[in-house]
Amino acid sequence: GAGVSQSPSNKVTEKGKDVELRCDPISGHTALYWYRQSLGQGLEFLIYFQGNSAPDKSGLPSDRFSAERTGGSVSTLTIQRTQQEDSAVYLCASSPNRREKLFFGSGTQLSVL
Amino acid sequence: SQKIEQNSEALNIQEGKTATLTCNYTNYSPAYLQWYRQDPGRGPVFLLLIRENEKEKRKERLKVTFDTTLKQSLFHITASQPADSATYLCALELDTGRRALTFGSGTRLQVQP
Repeated sequence: GAGVSQSPSNKVTEKGKDVELRCDPISGHTALYWYRQSLGQGLEFLIYFQGNSAPDKSGLPSDRFSAERTGGSVSTLTIQRTQQEDSAVYLCASSPNRREKLFFGSGTQLSVL
Repeated sequence: SQKIEQNSEALNIQEGKTATLTCNYTNYSPAYLQWYRQDPGRGPVFLLLIRENEKEKRKERLKVTFDTTLKQSLFHITASQPADSATYLCALELDTGRRALTFGSGTRLQVQP
């Protein structure tokens, strides 16, 4: 079956531009997570969606970052006015429910020049 | 502050030996803890989940222990193989205010043939 799909796999942008990263979770999974991983570093939590509950946005590093999840399925992470420090791999994961294992996508490598 | 600690130094062992990785956490008492494997350029892959009422869990050559008094989990790989070389991450819900899974920074394991 299909796993978690992320697009694009690579994104190069100029400082100051906006970018949108897409995540297609596994069908039926109610939980969806976004994490960020800088080179050689651990996973930094960004945002968490669980069913119809209000998302946990406590990990978003600034108001330039936002995310939405439409129809309880596809999610888009938007970064406005990108900065060089935003360069990282952005990982999406989904889970059948809270407190169950996460299935990760392969990530989007974002490079801000 | 609440945090997860994994040994940041790489663990180098000989093939056939048992690798033991440590995950320590502070303050909070999580209901469960998970371990993941991450290979370079890939998203993490789930390995094992252990709940607070379980002392030990096994899967093939893998064993996880969970000591809620010491606030520590140990991850063992017996009869290690070069193919086990990867970064291993532990993850848990860090506090009641954040329901999302928080990851440790990971420990890199290198198994020498």
